[in-house]
Amino acid sequence: NAGVTQTPKFRVLKTGQSMTLLCAQDMNHEYMYWYRQDPGMGLRLIHYSVGEGTTAKGEVPDGYNVSRLKKQNFLLGLESAAPSQTSVYFCASSPPHRGNQPQHFGDGTRLSIL
Amino acid sequence: RKEVEQDPGPFNVPEGATVAFNCTYSNSASQSFFWYRQDCRKEPKLLMSVYSSGNEDGRFTAQLNRASQYISLLIRDSKLSDSATYLCVVNNNFNKFYFGSGTKLNVKP
Repeated sequence: NAGVTQTPKFRVLKTGQSMTLLCAQDMNHEYMYWYRQDPGMGLRLIHYSVGEGTTAKGEVPDGYNVSRLKKQNFLLGLESAAPSQTSVYFCASSPPHRGNQPQHFGDGTRLSIL
Repeated sequence: RKEVEQDPGPFNVPEGATVAFNCTYSNSASQSFFWYRQDCRKEPKLLMSVYSSGNEDGRFTAQLNRASQYISLLIRDSKLSDSATYLCVVNNNFNKFYFGSGTKLNVKP
């Protein structure tokens, strides 16, 4: 069972470079999310998607873009990386919220911007 | 005001101790509640959902108090392997989950 898979797991970028983080889930979940986690802080929602072709802003969307062209994939893009975007990025997915449906997480992407 | 607030700890307890964490949430319309466990530099993993009547899973007991808007996690007979950060998560029955910043637990031999 793959669950939620994130690629890459580690990346170092220079300021101004661009890159895309890929999240793939094989659980047929409708909802997908991108979070960032910084030291001493909880997870903060960057963007999320409630279905193929739809995306919405979360708490900290600036500097990021997303796309959900296929139900199983949710891409997070950094167009011009900044040192403030150094963080650990987690992708999660969940079924639609009926009752106690938790999120399932990928194992994270550690991104450093120099 | 934060959606979800937790005491960051750390809680330092000996093996075999009982320890409890609380978490408060600000939205009275919140519908779903969870405790996740996060090990250092790893992804959060679901520990247990929290049901209105309270629920137990082995050494772990979760309680919900809607009137006071808090949830709790009780760990009995702590093990070294319980050392981790425990995240409180609240869902308002729409599209978003709100995470506390976590409570760190250190279980000492």
